[in-house]
Amino acid sequence: GAVVSQHPSRVICKSGTSVKIECRSLDFQATTMFWYRQFPKQSLMLMATSNEGSKATYEQGVEKDKFLINHASLTLSTLTVTSAHPEDSSFYICSARAPGGRTDTQYFGPGTRLTVL
Amino acid sequence: AQKVTQAQTEISVVEKEDVTLDCVYETRDTTYYLFWYKQPPSGELVFLIRRNSFDEQNEISGRYSWNFQKSTSSFNFTITASQVVDSAVYFCALSEARGTTDSWGKLQFGAGTQVVVTP
Repeated sequence: GAVVSQHPSRVICKSGTSVKIECRSLDFQATTMFWYRQFPKQSLMLMATSNEGSKATYEQGVEKDKFLINHASLTLSTLTVTSAHPEDSSFYICSARAPGGRTDTQYFGPGTRLTVL
Repeated sequence: AQKVTQAQTEISVVEKEDVTLDCVYETRDTTYYLFWYKQPPSGELVFLIRRNSFDEQNEISGRYSWNFQKSTSSFNFTITASQVVDSAVYFCALSEARGTTDSWGKLQFGAGTQVVVTP
């Protein structure tokens, strides 16, 4: 089946630094990728939709200047958490939509656990 | 607006018991997709099933079965003869299929149900 990777899987950083998370679709081209955020013992919340070659669409309440998304190619989207603070500590999960008309579905990456000290 | 409700926060069973996870959804669209995902302690989401709104046939896959009832807006999931490896958080999700790039594929997740299977 389709595979999506994320890098890094875990990152610990100091408050005020920026962290970049990569999401790659390994065996298919993904025109659309999604970024989710999950706090401990909570559900996944969609942050933004990333479309190749265009600006990301952010969900209400998500700061676009804080969470920079770049979808430079059909297999790579990046999420940069700028000037990270402890409240940004979370599990970030990306997904990629494998096109297939009525049969398309989303494949999720393994997630990146961010801890901001 | 769309909403997914998983009222059960946690279910504990003993191995070999059956367990049913409830999922109730709300949507104004006539065309939509429903999903179930499993999230083990490792955190990675495992896709279990996708069902479109036009297909109300129940489905069975090994020990897993799903009951889609459009009349009650429910898409319940049953694990038969549970095993310790089934211990995980299970999420039900809804995607409205408006056919536009912006809306297609956005998943609205339920709160999740933690399943704990003890030997």
